[in-house]
Amino acid sequence: DAGVIQSPRHEVTEMGQEVTLRCKPISGHDYLFWYRQTMMRGLELLIYFNNNVPIDDSGMPEDRFSAKMPNASFSTLKIQPSEPRDSAVYFCASSQDFIAVTGQFFGPGTRLTVL
Amino acid sequence: AQKITQTQPGMFVQEKEAVTLDCTYDTSDPSYGLFWYKQPSSGEMIFLIYQGSYDQQNATEGRYSLNFQKARKSANLVISASQLGDSAMYFCAMGLRTSNTGKLIFGQGTTLQVKP
Repeated sequence: DAGVIQSPRHEVTEMGQEVTLRCKPISGHDYLFWYRQTMMRGLELLIYFNNNVPIDDSGMPEDRFSAKMPNASFSTLKIQPSEPRDSAVYFCASSQDFIAVTGQFFGPGTRLTVL
Repeated sequence: AQKITQTQPGMFVQEKEAVTLDCTYDTSDPSYGLFWYKQPSSGEMIFLIYQGSYDQQNATEGRYSLNFQKARKSANLVISASQLGDSAMYFCAMGLRTSNTGKLIFGQGTTLQVKP
């Protein structure tokens, strides 16, 4: 398996633009997680899905953020409109269970810079 | 409130020596899982080891072992025979499952530098 795939790896955009981050989880994993990592706030769980259904989005910072999982092999995290404080590394991760003894498998991350 | 605390922002260790990275957690839930992840300078997050709250024995994975002291709510990571490639940021994390949702909380991380 190729592991968790994220695209793009780097994104530079201007304030006010829409940004869409993409994730392909590992086949057979029922859980998908979106995280944000910043120096100030560390690693934060934004939202997670179980069998394509959003379970907990309490970590999503505000309404400008939205996430979808239309099928088992694809998820998106959208920011509209983007702001400079959204600059961070966004990770997607997947696992077979919410608390999996094998841990979560993380993608390489998308480094987002909002100017 | 659930919380993970890593009190060591940075650590140094000599190559081939053992090192312990501290992690304490706070939860009133009886069922939880504890994880350690490694983040090298390249940025990816790599799962290292898992300990369940009901596990009687400390988890081990190769050179990694988790010193689980439930009464003290600590889950320290021990790396034996450090290698230069162990230089990275290390995160302790806790997963809890409630009736209809769950929480995953990460500590702030500890940067480990292995000296040749």
